[in-house]
Amino acid sequence: SAVISQKPSRDICQRGTSLTIQCQVDSQVTMMFWYRQQPGQSLTLIATANQGSEATYESGFVIDKFPISRPNLTFSTLTVSNMSPEDSSIYLCSVDETGGSGYTFGSGTRLTVV
Amino acid sequence: KQEVTQIPAALSVPEGENLVLNCSFTDSAIYNLQWFRQDPGKGLTSLLLIQSSQREQTSGRLNASLDKSSGRSTLYIAASQPGDSATYLCAAFDSNYQLIWGAGTKLIIKP
Repeated sequence: SAVISQKPSRDICQRGTSLTIQCQVDSQVTMMFWYRQQPGQSLTLIATANQGSEATYESGFVIDKFPISRPNLTFSTLTVSNMSPEDSSIYLCSVDETGGSGYTFGSGTRLTVV
Repeated sequence: KQEVTQIPAALSVPEGENLVLNCSFTDSAIYNLQWFRQDPGKGLTSLLLIQSSQREQTSGRLNASLDKSSGRSTLYIAASQPGDSATYLCAAFDSNYQLIWGAGTKLIIKP
């Protein structure tokens, strides 16, 4: 199965600043997914990123707050912009394996905004 | 609209016991179902994927079953160990191959 390297693993940031999270996959994938997991909650899909096109955002998430890049088939970034304490969460990237192997996730980025 | 429920929300058992985690879904027309493990503050590790045509999958001490007619999946853990302590999440694949998540079961195995 695919291996995803996600970084940073954790960060503590000042409110009003931005953080960019990177995910590198060891194989080419068509779609990459970005999730948020707020404390004590399950996962919420932020957006789907396809190479060569703009990301598709879920209801409640906007590009100005969570810009996403997908420059090639193995890499994507998610930026959390103008952060507030409410953005404190675990952010995860994921890929859908071809061949029916299901989804694989990165190791997560634990973000704390102070 | 598909909804996924996991009961119980938390479970604490002594080491060595066999246990079952439950996952129920409202729409039997699911595509696949996947079980994950999450350690505190970390990402998700895939445990087992059950495709819609399958009834169960096994990996080591883990066995996952799928009964679409009753809207249920179970994850059976044999001979539990303290290292099994984690949150276990199930996710059903909808018709668009998107994941619909349960809230998870937090499992604690007491030495």
